[in-house]
Amino acid sequence: GAGVSQSPSNKVTEKGKDVELRCDPISGHTALYWYRQSLGQGLEFLIYFQGNSAPDKSGLPSDRFSAERTGGSVSTLTIQRTQQEDSAVYLCASSPLAGAYEQYFGPGTRLTVT
Amino acid sequence: AQSVTQPDIHITVSEGASLELRCNYSYGATPYLFWYVQSPGQGLQLLLKYFSGDTLVQGIKGFEAEFKRSQSSFNLRKPSVHWSDAAEYFCAVGGKAAGNKLTFGGGTRVLVKP
Repeated sequence: GAGVSQSPSNKVTEKGKDVELRCDPISGHTALYWYRQSLGQGLEFLIYFQGNSAPDKSGLPSDRFSAERTGGSVSTLTIQRTQQEDSAVYLCASSPLAGAYEQYFGPGTRLTVT
Repeated sequence: AQSVTQPDIHITVSEGASLELRCNYSYGATPYLFWYVQSPGQGLQLLLKYFSGDTLVQGIKGFEAEFKRSQSSFNLRKPSVHWSDAAEYFCAVGGKAAGNKLTFGGGTRVLVKP
């Protein structure tokens, strides 16, 4: 079946602009995660959604970052007033349930802030 | 706090030779352990996972890993490397105590010599 998809695959934006990154999880997966992969910081957890529960936002680096998940499926990660340090690959993952289930990753969105 | 250490940043191995990638973790409860592989420009692909039971786990592409609780290790092995195994490998730890989010090691880049 179809895997996790993310769009756009690449995004170049000017410093100070807002960007939206989209994630389509595997159908039927109730848990959805966002991670960031950057040269300096490696792979970092950002935020996690599980069903209708309040999201775990403990990894968001600043209040410029937010995410929502509509209808328990598609998720959008929004970065406001982008900074150069936001340049990274943003990875989305989903899993059938939270807990003892592996996470399946999408191809990522490469964000470049100029 | 949980953490993962991959001591080797780069490993070069000849095609047909064996490969072992080291992973040490710190986690305050029962760990769920994973190995992912990332080819250039690609997302993360799950190689194998350990949740419980047999400490030697088999994965895709001929990889296996052994969980050693006494050493807090989860090393990845492959008996005979193929040129297509050149990639970056990430060890990760997660579990219910961590709120289901994964913590990744810094990765090991594997180069395969012909």
